[in-house]
Amino acid sequence: GAVVSQHPSWVICKSGTSVKIECRSLDFQATTMFWYRQFPKQSLMLMATSNEGSKATYEQGVEKDKFLINHASLTLSTLTVTSAHPEDSSFYICSARDLGQGGRNTEAFFGQGTRLTVV
Amino acid sequence: LAKTTQPISMDSYEGQEVNITCSHNNIATNDYITWYQQFPSQGPRFIIQGYKTKVTNEVASLFIPADRKSSTLSLPRVSLSDTAVYYCLVGDGFSGGYNKLIFGAGTRLAVHP
Repeated sequence: GAVVSQHPSWVICKSGTSVKIECRSLDFQATTMFWYRQFPKQSLMLMATSNEGSKATYEQGVEKDKFLINHASLTLSTLTVTSAHPEDSSFYICSARDLGQGGRNTEAFFGQGTRLTVV
Repeated sequence: LAKTTQPISMDSYEGQEVNITCSHNNIATNDYITWYQQFPSQGPRFIIQGYKTKVTNEVASLFIPADRKSSTLSLPRVSLSDTAVYYCLVGDGFSGGYNKLIFGAGTRLAVHP
């Protein structure tokens, strides 16, 4: 089946630094990818929709200047957490759907997630 | 996007059948019902999807009544490894494009020995 890969699986960074998370669709093309964050014992919260070749669409309450999204190719989207603070510590997950299925009613594939800890 | 309501948690024992019901009273005509499973520190994994009546695959069955205002995920003979959070999602499958998936609270299933 289709695979979505995230890198890194976990990262620890100092407060004030930036961290980049990569999301790749390994065997299919995805013009659209989605980024979620998840706090412990909570559900996934959609942050933004990443569109290949255009600006990302952010959900209400998500700071676009803090969470930079770049979708430079049909198989890669990146999320950069800029000037990270301890409250940004969370589990970040990306998702994509195989366009080869016509984008209709197809299952979404999720990456394994990235555990970010800001100290 | 139709809102879903599920029990917060459920407990079961190995070998039992588990049924998790999801309410989606405002489901639209074009909406499909999809269930995902998530283990700790992992991304969600697709389990099953359906539109009406019954769908069965190698891991689960999905029962959808005629009014489609609810659905039930059935896990036969659960094992300890089925302990996870199960999410019911409802979305438009006919738009021709990709619709964002909005997750509800999910159901935390604990399977005991």
